[in-house]
Amino acid sequence: DIQMTQSPSSLSASVGDRVTITCRASQSISNYVNWYQQKPGKAPKLLIYTAASLQSGVPSRFSGSGFGTDFTLSISSLQPEDFASYYCQHSYRTPYSFGQGTNLEI
Amino acid sequence: QVHLVQSGAEVKKPGASVKVSCEASGYTFTSYAIHWVRQAPGQRLEWMGWINADNGDTKYSQKFQGRVTITRDTSASTAYMELSSLRSEDTAVYFCARSERDNWNFFFRYWGQGTLVTVSS
Repeated sequence: DIQMTQSPSSLSASVGDRVTITCRASQSISNYVNWYQQKPGKAPKLLIYTAASLQSGVPSRFSGSGFGTDFTLSISSLQPEDFASYYCQHSYRTPYSFGQGTNLEI
Repeated sequence: QVHLVQSGAEVKKPGASVKVSCEASGYTFTSYAIHWVRQAPGQRLEWMGWINADNGDTKYSQKFQGRVTITRDTSASTAYMELSSLRSEDTAVYFCARSERDNWNFFFRYWGQGTLVTVSS
């Protein structure tokens, strides 16, 4: 199975900061990576698909990049509503595993 | 618009089975696969398996093979996930999600609201 390792596991930041979350796959997975935001008690929300494509309706301060084994999610200027957990997920082959999550807090 | 509505919370004893439903609306049910993902308290999301809503083909994570069964009823636009031989470690929120494809990448744009399954004696 392909393992997805995110870092950091938690991150303290302030409104207006730029933050970057990384995700490393245990083997090359092309660009088959998606990023989700999850708030407590809610279902995940799709932010980025296929490594770099911004989901419709998601603010442009979110961006994704990467290919092969290393991927990043960046938020250019944090807003209060961005404090949440973030997960990467691959779809290279089943099982489609997720990273362990990054908890972004003030 | 697309909605996935799941059945309500369940409390089960160890060794029992649970069946969670996921009713789809706002699109042609047979045009998209449905996946099941769970999240134990404080843990990462965990993919369990998926069903081709058109032909009923399924694929399960090896971790759950033999314990999970995903089915669908096209007349009711509903997918089901049944997990048997429950143990305390199966206490989690179970989500259904509709997958879409960008070339060969599959992603989940629409999710159900989640169903809490508690396993306790």
